[in-house]
Amino acid sequence: ILNVEQSPQSLHVQEGDSTNFTCSFPSSNFYALHWYRWETAKSPEALFVMTLNGDEKKKGRISATLNTKEGYSYLYIKGSQPEDSATYLCAFPDRNAGNMLTFGGGTRLMVKP
Amino acid sequence: DAGVIQSPRHEVTEMGQEVTLRCKPISGHNSLFWYRQTMMRGLELLIYFNNNVPIDDSGMPEDRFSAKMPNASFSTLKIQPSEPRDSAVYFCASSLGGLAGISYNEQFFGPGTRLTVL
Repeated sequence: ILNVEQSPQSLHVQEGDSTNFTCSFPSSNFYALHWYRWETAKSPEALFVMTLNGDEKKKGRISATLNTKEGYSYLYIKGSQPEDSATYLCAFPDRNAGNMLTFGGGTRLMVKP
Repeated sequence: DAGVIQSPRHEVTEMGQEVTLRCKPISGHNSLFWYRQTMMRGLELLIYFNNNVPIDDSGMPEDRFSAKMPNASFSTLKIQPSEPRDSAVYFCASSLGGLAGISYNEQFFGPGTRLTVL
């Protein structure tokens, strides 16, 4: 079973604050890293799929970086808004299990207006 | 496209009853995944199919759970007999790509079925 860890588990910020959180994954046998955004009472939606060491991806105010050698990815949100409140999940394909995704426990972000 | 469709959205049943959850993947997607969300274990993969063939079912908790994909546009997850500890939200997701490609392709999730077993 892969160890995919996210920190912190939860985060409270004020509207307008910038924030970031971490996903740690095994650095060996890297294929890709997925980030998903999951709003309460909805279903997860893909943000990014990252494949290259040093890669940086951006979607609006959300961006992510990837370090495959040390096994971590950061997700950044610039100028947080209440609508950014959600759980952010990272997922790592397990080569030894048919490439199925192993999800981290998520970081629950709450943005106060 | 309507996205991944799941039915029913909510199911309340009594212990011992059979439960069948249904999923229609996005047209053209050839990988389909069944996940379960619980407070204790978060989001966990139960089984996935590629081109209608089950590839990995190591996440299926026990023999009471079974899944089928008779064609490219339909899959079922059945629990028989159901138990209170099966209460959870069950998600179906689909993606493009073959066995290697599923690492690189984003998954599209359905709205989920909230199952309550009394």
